Amino acid sequence: QSVLTQPPSASGTPGQRVTISCSGSSSNIGSNTVNWYQQLPGTAPKLLIYSSNQRPSGVPDRFSGSKSGTSASLAISGLQSEDEADYYCSAWDDSLNGYVFGTGTKVTVL
Amino acid sequence: QVQLQQSGPGLVKPSQTLSLTCAISGDSVSSNSAAWSWIRQSPSRGLEWLGRTYFRSKWYSDSAVSAKGRITINPDTSKNQFSLQLESVTPDDTAVYYCARFLTQSGGRLDCWGQGTLVTVSS
Repeated sequence: QSVLTQPPSASGTPGQRVTISCSGSSSNIGSNTVNWYQQLPGTAPKLLIYSSNQRPSGVPDRFSGSKSGTSASLAISGLQSEDEADYYCSAWDDSLNGYVFGTGTKVTVL
Repeated sequence: QVQLQQSGPGLVKPSQTLSLTCAISGDSVSSNSAAWSWIRQSPSRGLEWLGRTYFRSKWYSDSAVSAKGRITINPDTSKNQFSLQLESVTPDDTAVYYCARFLTQSGGRLDCWGQGTLVTVSS
């Protein structure tokens, strides 16, 4: 069902840098900005990155986003135990005229 | 600070209509810079945007292709809330349903979410 493709899992030790990719198409990531959401167990998703590389107030600068062509990525530098969560990319899709999400990536802190 | 509070039943029988409400505080359902959205999440479908309602001189609603024909999203300006109705539900509609505010500036983003409601479709 998900239109944007992410790796199912990623992991790292505390302090490491972890990168999550998000692959889309010309009708979504290729034409619009990308948002990233963090979902802790049992809670609603929380906006982490918007407009491809902007952080909402309160989000640590360890989180950064980028976009190139029809792909985007989220980087977590200085990984911490509280970063263990599911991460989702998203974008508006002009062909579907709707908002689409990625398949989600579970980040584990080893 | 914007807060969204969801309400509605957690159990719906097959073929019936799922109804949920999202009460808004800290913003207006008639805001010209927001669209009020419903999203659901299930293990089989992941996160799925269902649709939205928004006011731009008049009211608009649009919905995901997968839900078209079954979904109604309506604003209630007197109570500053909006609602979701999903008709003819099947067990495949079992999911956690979220309401959220979609801010339309800077490309758009879902910046504020309700607490989520687990809706189970079962007889």
